[in-house]
Amino acid sequence: DTAVSQTPKYLVTQMGNDKSIKCEQNLGHDTMYWYKQDSKKFLKIMFSYNNKELIINETVPNRFSPKSPDKAHLNLHINSLELGDSAVYFCASSQVVESNYGYTFGSGTRLTVV
Amino acid sequence: QKEVEQNSGPLSVPEGAIASLNCTYSDRGSQSFFWYRQYSGKSPELIMFIYSNGDKEDGRFTAQLNKASQYVSLLIRDSQPSDSATYLCAVYSNSGYALNFGKGTSLLVTP
Repeated sequence: DTAVSQTPKYLVTQMGNDKSIKCEQNLGHDTMYWYKQDSKKFLKIMFSYNNKELIINETVPNRFSPKSPDKAHLNLHINSLELGDSAVYFCASSQVVESNYGYTFGSGTRLTVV
Repeated sequence: QKEVEQNSGPLSVPEGAIASLNCTYSDRGSQSFFWYRQYSGKSPELIMFIYSNGDKEDGRFTAQLNKASQYVSLLIRDSQPSDSATYLCAVYSNSGYALNFGKGTSLLVTP
């Protein structure tokens, strides 16, 4: 199936730990994203990665680091996890940044920091 | 800060009625507008996109755009209980680098 897939779907971890979330798309898209959705359902952009060029959102703490080994994969590594990092993280992809066809989202990773 | 504003709701409509969801945006340079539907515990799903002033229809859904008023809306005709979800408005502008989402409107269609 063509899709954006994320792993793991659920992640429960203790404060201070380091964790990674993986994302892969087989849609042939050039651009991938990480969004964070908080408990109030607000979906906020974290990073955009277009053809190996990373665009950083300045409001994201530097504990968050995206890594893209190729244009089909975009992983998110989080260091020194904090309680406030608990949220659902969505990976998405699009053909181009300004796509008029919208973005395709992965199924999300629910991160709980205890 | 480029903002996309939506009434959080919940908006409650009876089955068969028209649901009207509204969205305003602050960046006049915005060029593309999207409506996503998100069921509880699921990922956002694209319903409609529009980038020209006027109406765009797709089945029971109609998106309306008024760039002068910086306003975009989604009409759902013959609403069904299965339409109950959160509807997210998203906007793309040249000054950004990704879709900017509103906080969503919760829609409840009652039988």
